[in-house]
Amino acid sequence: DTEVTQTPKHLVMGMTNKKSLKCEQHMGHRAMYWYKQKAKKPPELMFVYSYEKLSINESVPSRFSPECPNSSLLNLHLHALQPEDSALYLCASSQAGTGGADGYTFGSGTRLTVV
Amino acid sequence: AQKITQTQPGMFVQEKEAVTLDCTYDTSDQSYGLFWYKQPSSGEMIFLIYQGSYDEQNATEGRYSLNFQKARKSANLVISASQLGDSAMYFCAMRDPYSGGGADGLTFGKGTHLIIQP
Repeated sequence: DTEVTQTPKHLVMGMTNKKSLKCEQHMGHRAMYWYKQKAKKPPELMFVYSYEKLSINESVPSRFSPECPNSSLLNLHLHALQPEDSALYLCASSQAGTGGADGYTFGSGTRLTVV
Repeated sequence: AQKITQTQPGMFVQEKEAVTLDCTYDTSDQSYGLFWYKQPSSGEMIFLIYQGSYDEQNATEGRYSLNFQKARKSANLVISASQLGDSAMYFCAMRDPYSGGGADGLTFGKGTHLIIQP
C-alpha cells in the first residue's frame, strides 16, 4: 500500500462549526505533515509530526489543532475558522523523518470552504 | 533559510516538444535534496523526480530528467516528448531541515503552470 488517504475530499463548514480532517498511511512512514495550499499558491507547511511527536509551527493559528493518535493516523481539528482559511489541505508522509530519494507521499487533499 | 525560485508562472508548449521548467534554489547547507512535483487540477501532488546534492549523475525517471547544475544552484526539470496529460502545475521543492521536530518538511517554489497544446 503506497497511498496516503485523506477524508473527506470536500468539506463546507460554517465559522462556528467544529470539524476534523483525517489522514491515514500504511507505508510505515514515521513522519507526517499537514500543508495548506491557497488557490494558485504553493503548499505551505503547517505541522510536522516525527515519531508521533509534534513540531509546533508558531505561525499557525490555534483554531487549527493537529493530533497524531498513532503512527498511521493524522488528524487536523478545525474550530472557529475564518473564510480566509478556505484552501486545499494536504497531508504527506515520509520515511524516517527525512524524505530522501523515496520522497514524500501526498494525499489527494481536502478542499475546505468556510462560509 | 531555504528559498526556491521558479520564474516561469506559465508556459504553453506544443505536444511532442520537449519542455524545460526552471528552478533555482538558495541554501547554505552542503547536504540537501531537491524534488519536482506535478499537481493536476484535481489537487494531488505527484512525485516526479529527486536529486540529492551529492548525487554525481543527473536524475532521470522515464520522460523526466533533472538538469542539476550545483555551482549555479539550478535544478531544471526537462520533460521530453510532452503529452496532453502533462498539463498541470509543476512545483520545485527543497527539503527544509529547519522545520523542527526531527523531520524535514518541504519548501516549495511558486510553481509553473504548464499547458500542452495539441
